[in-house]
Amino acid sequence: AQKITQTQPGMFVQEKEAVTLDCTYDTSDQSYGLFWYKQPSSGEMIFLIYQGSYDEQNATEGRYSLNFQKARKSANLVISASQLGDSAMYFCAMRERQTAAGNKLTFGGGTRVLVKP
Amino acid sequence: DAGVTQSPTHLIKTRGQQVTLRCSPKSGHDTVSWYQQALGQGPQFIFQYYEEEERQRGNFPDRFSGHQFPNYSSELNVNALLLGDSALYLCASSLEGDGNTIYFGEGSWLTVV
Repeated sequence: AQKITQTQPGMFVQEKEAVTLDCTYDTSDQSYGLFWYKQPSSGEMIFLIYQGSYDEQNATEGRYSLNFQKARKSANLVISASQLGDSAMYFCAMRERQTAAGNKLTFGGGTRVLVKP
Repeated sequence: DAGVTQSPTHLIKTRGQQVTLRCSPKSGHDTVSWYQQALGQGPQFIFQYYEEEERQRGNFPDRFSGHQFPNYSSELNVNALLLGDSALYLCASSLEGDGNTIYFGEGSWLTVV
């Protein structure tokens, strides 16, 4: 069975600094996808970044980058130049079988980030 | 380009009642999944619909049922509500064959009293 672990329940980060959110996963599949989502207090789950298990380069989307270490089964999210609007819950999620259709995700417990001015 | 839309945004129900939540997927998407997110936890997969059929199901009782319509929109029904059903219900959509982009709606906050 799939499992996603986020060991940091909460973090403070100074505005304009970078922050790394940890995510480790466990799966027996060779083909899978990893996602990061941001959830503000409003509840909406906002897609940030995606990494496929066969992607050779780390994914980047603007200020977000994913540090993918396949052998260690980790997929850490790096947010550069933090902004006050980055304060939210962040969830790591995994979808098995990258080449298969469908969108069943397994989520971690989340990390709450608070950006200080 | 409209994203995933859900309704209602908030609702309060009494134990034992039934509730229906609605979801319209992002334009061009044909696969819809529903998730339950209890307070302080990550979302849990309930089920997924494609071509108007339930394709996958998580560990949820039969009180949870759904439907997908020809226009790809979907409903989640919960019967015999329990206090423990109080949660944020999230709808996610994607395009069959392209599971790399999965978008969520803003969710429906259900409170059972």
